[in-house]
Amino acid sequence: GAVVSQHPSWVICKSGTSVKIECRSLDFQATTMFWYRQFPKQSLMLMATSNEGSKATYEQGVEKDKFLINHASLTLSTLTVTSAHPEDSSFYICSARDVATSGRTDTQYFGPGTRLTVL
Amino acid sequence: GDSVTQMEGPVTLSEEAFLTINCTYTATGYPSLFWYVQYPGEGLQLLLKATKADDKGSNKGFEATYRKETTSFHLEKGSVQVSDSAVYFCALSDLGSSYKLIFGSGTRLLVRP
Repeated sequence: GAVVSQHPSWVICKSGTSVKIECRSLDFQATTMFWYRQFPKQSLMLMATSNEGSKATYEQGVEKDKFLINHASLTLSTLTVTSAHPEDSSFYICSARDVATSGRTDTQYFGPGTRLTVL
Repeated sequence: GDSVTQMEGPVTLSEEAFLTINCTYTATGYPSLFWYVQYPGEGLQLLLKATKADDKGSNKGFEATYRKETTSFHLEKGSVQVSDSAVYFCALSDLGSSYKLIFGSGTRLLVRP
């Protein structure tokens, strides 16, 4: 149980294009999902907290118009990198909290990540 | 604010050696503590967790004890295997950080046959 999937697992795009990354909780409902960015050999940096049915909360320094987040259902959140540039190349990881247990636990379940390369 | 400090890697061990990865934390409240593992090219997997002082989390031969007096959550394993080679992240979560995970910098473990 508690499986989170991401799609695509990797993507290569041209500079100036937009890329959408999906994060799905497969066997549980998630009112809250998180988006992280990870640079090579570094820790995870929280970008934003995505809440179902409301606007995402972005961390300081993260451009909300650059990284659009939509959490339209209890099992799906999407991150769209708009007008991507080479400096946006990174490993993007999502995580989700299980709504059924969120009152008793703060465990997050992570997706496998999406590697974005912008040429 | 809350923070997590991990020993820097890489840590290189021979198979069957004893492993310790140090982790200390700073938190305003009473955090939950976690160890996550990241295998090459993959996302993070929860390895173990502890939610209150003196709790011991354990999984796959790994253990960590929540020590409030020393604000530590060191990861240990008695006999490592080549398959344990990965990056290990210590993390905390508490009400003060709105239950966001605060990660340490990660420690890369390389186990040689």
